[in-house]
Amino acid sequence: DTEVTQTPKHLVMGMTNKKSLKCEQHMGHRAMYWYKQKAKKPPELMFVYSYEKLSINESVPSRFSPECPNSSLLNLHLHALQPEDSALYLCASSSKVPGVQGNEKLFFGSGTQLSVL
Amino acid sequence: QKEVEQDPGPLSVPEGAIVSLNCTYSNSAFQYFMWYRQYSRKGPELLMYTYSSGNKEDGRFTAQVDKSSKYISLFIRDSQPSDSATYLCATRRTTGFQKLVFGTGTRLLVSP
Repeated sequence: DTEVTQTPKHLVMGMTNKKSLKCEQHMGHRAMYWYKQKAKKPPELMFVYSYEKLSINESVPSRFSPECPNSSLLNLHLHALQPEDSALYLCASSSKVPGVQGNEKLFFGSGTQLSVL
Repeated sequence: QKEVEQDPGPLSVPEGAIVSLNCTYSNSAFQYFMWYRQYSRKGPELLMYTYSSGNKEDGRFTAQVDKSSKYISLFIRDSQPSDSATYLCATRRTTGFQKLVFGTGTRLLVSP
């Protein structure tokens, strides 16, 4: 299994809603990532988890809250989002832990297309 | 100046053509170079991964890195309509945690 699975594929939410994005991988990868991608732009790093601990937060607003329940799962909890947060949210994983085990190759999921109304 | 520059395209070619996609980068500390393919409304898929200078071939795809000119290329031979996608170059340094630096992506259209 070489897949990173993300659910849901599409999500529409109001600015007062609370929702969660889910990501799962069964490749035994010990690093997992959240990226945000706006249309016609490259992905932007949000968070990195290494060995289930948050290792990198790229100054992301607190209305985005990541969680790593175990080595296979990664969640992104959303609360009080703004319309400008509408984007494709990508989860990725790598077998090597960034900055510790040398270079890492990222495997991306298909993403959750989020629309905030 | 952006750390990685990539022409956004679109680049339109007929089926069977040889495609050349290119990026330039500004930081000589970059050592790892990648090409990702991204179909519409999908996540990026790692196509090629190279370290330092030289060529790497995988089927119809060849990645080339010229560190002296800070230029990276992806060649696609015998292009197919299924190759129509956005191609993102990416690079990073070797030491410590260094996040991937992506180009803006080039949209490729291969017509039958």
